[in-house]
Amino acid sequence: GENVEQHPSTLSVQEGDSAVIKCTYSDSASNYFPWYKQELGKGPQLIIDIRSNVGEKKDQRIAVTLNKTAKHFSLHITETQPEDSAVYFCAASTPRDDKIIFGKGTRLHILP
Amino acid sequence: DTAVSQTPKYLVTQMGNDKSIKCEQNLGHDTMYWYKQDSKKFLKIMFSYNNKELIINETVPNRFSPKSPDKAHLNLHINSLELGDSAVYFCASSPTGTPSYGYTFGSGTRLTVV
Repeated sequence: GENVEQHPSTLSVQEGDSAVIKCTYSDSASNYFPWYKQELGKGPQLIIDIRSNVGEKKDQRIAVTLNKTAKHFSLHITETQPEDSAVYFCAASTPRDDKIIFGKGTRLHILP
Repeated sequence: DTAVSQTPKYLVTQMGNDKSIKCEQNLGHDTMYWYKQDSKKFLKIMFSYNNKELIINETVPNRFSPKSPDKAHLNLHINSLELGDSAVYFCASSPTGTPSYGYTFGSGTRLTVV
């Protein structure tokens, strides 16, 4: 089955700098790659997603890139702000699956 | 408010007890899920239901039994609770059985078994 690896497990960046979180997946049939943000005491919330027919997608300060050949995808957050501090999860699913497989999460700290 | 709501938010109980967690969504979604998040934040799927029908049943002990009385509700009953069951349990829903429309998660139930 699908396996999603996520790095780093913890990331600290200065406020205003950029943050990058990277993920790899194992199943070449995967075609949907969502990213979730989990704030303390809350459930994960979908912040952006990308499908396999697209190489890049941007939404304000957040962007995702997908390299199907290398089977990796990344989340980029620019001009980081204190409210970006959270745990971020990448995930993947294939057309035949009824479920999303999550990475193990990255705890992002924005330093003042 | 449109949402996925879970009750209770916190649950502390003794080993050996039986407990239930309830989940309701008013988003009109067809598919609902239960995920377990351990102390290291790892999210692992347990069950999914599509319009009251069980679709996914991962390798979960028989002590865990989901019940879906209608497509807006998915409850989780746990028998003979063990220390290792301590975790945060999340309910989620999606518009169809295909996850590529994204999940909406509830706020979680923190279960502590003592």
